[in-house]
Amino acid sequence: EVQLVESGGGLVQPGGSLRLSCAASGFTFSSYWMHWVRQAPGKGLVWVSRINSDGSSTSYADSVKGRFTISRDNAKNTLYLQMNSLRAEDTAVYYCAREYTAMATWGQGTLVTVSS
Amino acid sequence: EIVLTQSPATLSLSPGERATLSCGASQSVSSSYLAWYQQKPGLAPRLLIYDASSRATGIPDRFSGSGSGTDFTLTISRLEPEDFAVYYCQQYGSSSYTFGQGTKLEIK
Repeated sequence: EVQLVESGGGLVQPGGSLRLSCAASGFTFSSYWMHWVRQAPGKGLVWVSRINSDGSSTSYADSVKGRFTISRDNAKNTLYLQMNSLRAEDTAVYYCAREYTAMATWGQGTLVTVSS
Repeated sequence: EIVLTQSPATLSLSPGERATLSCGASQSVSSSYLAWYQQKPGLAPRLLIYDASSRATGIPDRFSGSGSGTDFTLTISRLEPEDFAVYYCQQYGSSSYTFGQGTKLEIK
């Protein structure tokens, strides 16, 4: 079964850092582009970042560029999102998603709350 | 960045009726790289349609997508009780994968 499981969310103060992880199973992780998408409470979906299959190419939404870094470890079948200089407006559920005919597989999400 | 605008914001219909949801793009979507997702409260989104008109695996044939360029449509031919949810369109034809703001499909 194809599965994505996010972890690493929690409460962090403004200006702080957090690293999210997304553990993949049931498919050849190293063959797929991967994404992070977030959803603030009661709001819509917002694309955050994308990484290609071997990690050599990344892209970011303007709202997180320079603060967030996407990476992957294909040996560990894991996707990461390093989030620095966090702001209140970064509060959201963060989903990882596999790109295959659009975003065909999603994790259950992990909640990040930025608050003092 | 391509901006996607969905209409209406809320659609009130009854089971058995036909639903038509629209998604307009601020510029042409490359190769019709347009997807539709369904999201229910507390759950992750589910892919319904990709490449504007192809149904994802396991999606019932009452869901169909159409359109090209800047105008796209998701049609649900006969609404089932489980179809009442929020629907998002998304373009993946550019390096920035934007979503629409969503259409809430509610029971009338």
